[in-house]
Amino acid sequence: AQKITQTQPGMFVQEKEAVTLDCTYDTSDQSYGLFWYKQPSSGEMIFLIYQGSYDEQNATEGRYSLNFQKARKSANLVISASQLGDSAMYFCAMRNSGSSASKIIFGSGTRLSIRP
Amino acid sequence: GAGVSQSPSNKVTEKGKDVELRCDPISGHTALYWYRQSLGQGLEFLIYFQGNSAPDKSGLPSDRFSAERTGGSVSTLTIQRTQQEDSAVYLCASSLAGYNSPLHFGNGTRLTVT
Repeated sequence: AQKITQTQPGMFVQEKEAVTLDCTYDTSDQSYGLFWYKQPSSGEMIFLIYQGSYDEQNATEGRYSLNFQKARKSANLVISASQLGDSAMYFCAMRNSGSSASKIIFGSGTRLSIRP
Repeated sequence: GAGVSQSPSNKVTEKGKDVELRCDPISGHTALYWYRQSLGQGLEFLIYFQGNSAPDKSGLPSDRFSAERTGGSVSTLTIQRTQQEDSAVYLCASSLAGYNSPLHFGNGTRLTVT
C-alpha cells in the first residue's frame, strides 16, 4: 500500500533563509513518481517539482530542489532564499506506475510561514 | 490555454438534497481525479478515471457518493442525501498518462451543507 508522511504541520522561517520540508513515503513498487505542490491561501494547487524513482540526479526547478534519498524513502523539498510569497501549504504526493494512470496520494501537508 | 474547469465554484445546499459537481479537464488528458479537502486539511483521494473507466473507487466515503465520466472528458461527482460532514472543497485534477505526469488542478467547488 502507498503512504506519504509529512511530519511537520507548520514551520516558521526567516525571509532569505533556506528551508527544508520533509516527506517520507512507503511503496512496494520499484517505479513511482514524487511530486510537490504549493497551495497558497487562495486555494489553488500549484505544481512545483517532480522526481522519478529512477532519476539519478536530484530534481531542481529554480529555487526549488528535491533531496531524494531512495534507500531512506525520503523526498524532501528544499526552498532556497525564501520569499514572503513562499508562505503557503506544501503537499508531497506519490504516484505508482500503473497501466497508464494510477492513484495519486497526498501527504497531510506542511504550512510554511515566512517572517519578514 | 484552457485549464481544468470546475462548476459551480460555490454550492450551498440543504441537508438531504442531492448535488452534482462538474469537472471539465484539460483537452487530451486521459486521467481525471477527484479529491476532497476539508478546511485546513490535506487532500483526501476519492476516485480516479482512466478514460471513462474508474479503476479505483476505494476513496468514495459512502454509497451516497458516485462519479462518472463520459466521452473521456467531462466528469460529474454526485452526492446524494447530503450531510453536513460533506461540507468541503471538492478538487478535480487531470493529467496525461504516465506516472511522471503532474496533476493540473481546477479551482475547486466549495460545498456547504446547511
